[in-house]
Amino acid sequence: DAGVIQSPRHEVTEMGQEVTLRCKPISGHDYLFWYRQTMMRGLELLIYFNNNVPIDDSGMPEDRFSAKMPNASFSTLKIQPSEPRDSAVYFCASSLGGPQYFGPGTRLLVL
Amino acid sequence: DQQVKQNSPSLSVQEGRISILNCDYTNSMFDYFLWYKKYPAEGPTFLISISSIKDKNEDGRFTVFLNKSAKHLSLHIVPSQPGDSAVYFCAASTNAGNNRKLIWGLGTSLAVNP
Repeated sequence: DAGVIQSPRHEVTEMGQEVTLRCKPISGHDYLFWYRQTMMRGLELLIYFNNNVPIDDSGMPEDRFSAKMPNASFSTLKIQPSEPRDSAVYFCASSLGGPQYFGPGTRLLVL
Repeated sequence: DQQVKQNSPSLSVQEGRISILNCDYTNSMFDYFLWYKKYPAEGPTFLISISSIKDKNEDGRFTVFLNKSAKHLSLHIVPSQPGDSAVYFCAASTNAGNNRKLIWGLGTSLAVNP
């Protein structure tokens, strides 16, 4: 079975540009989570969805970040405009309400 | 305020011996606990979980112990293997209603030496 799929795996962009990260959850999972990992703060939950509806977005750092889940098999995390401090690894995870299963992550570098 | 704490940033163990990773939490409402393993350049991988109604859960070489009165859990790996070298994260949640938010520790880096 395919696990959580994320794209792109690596992204290098310049400050001010729009960045879109994509996630395909495990088929049948009804929860989807977006995380950011940095050396200083570890794993931070940004937002999570249940049945495509955002449940908790309290971790979204500011209005430059937005996330959507238009259907059960796709979600995006958008940063506009991007800043150097957004450089991190972004993970997507999905679950059936129990353990969360993570994708390989997107390593974002904003210059 | 760190609600889930892994006080040992790193641990080194000899192959074949027991590895014990510790985790403390402060929120008495947590009722579900998980351990994840993470290799470099990969996402965290779920290892084992325990609900607050139990004090022990075992899966092969991995056992998680929960001490609710001490707000402490530990992961035992026996016997340790070089492939177990990774960063281990403890996470906790209160599965009330629709809440599925995990609170994470900062991780413990385990090195298993051949």
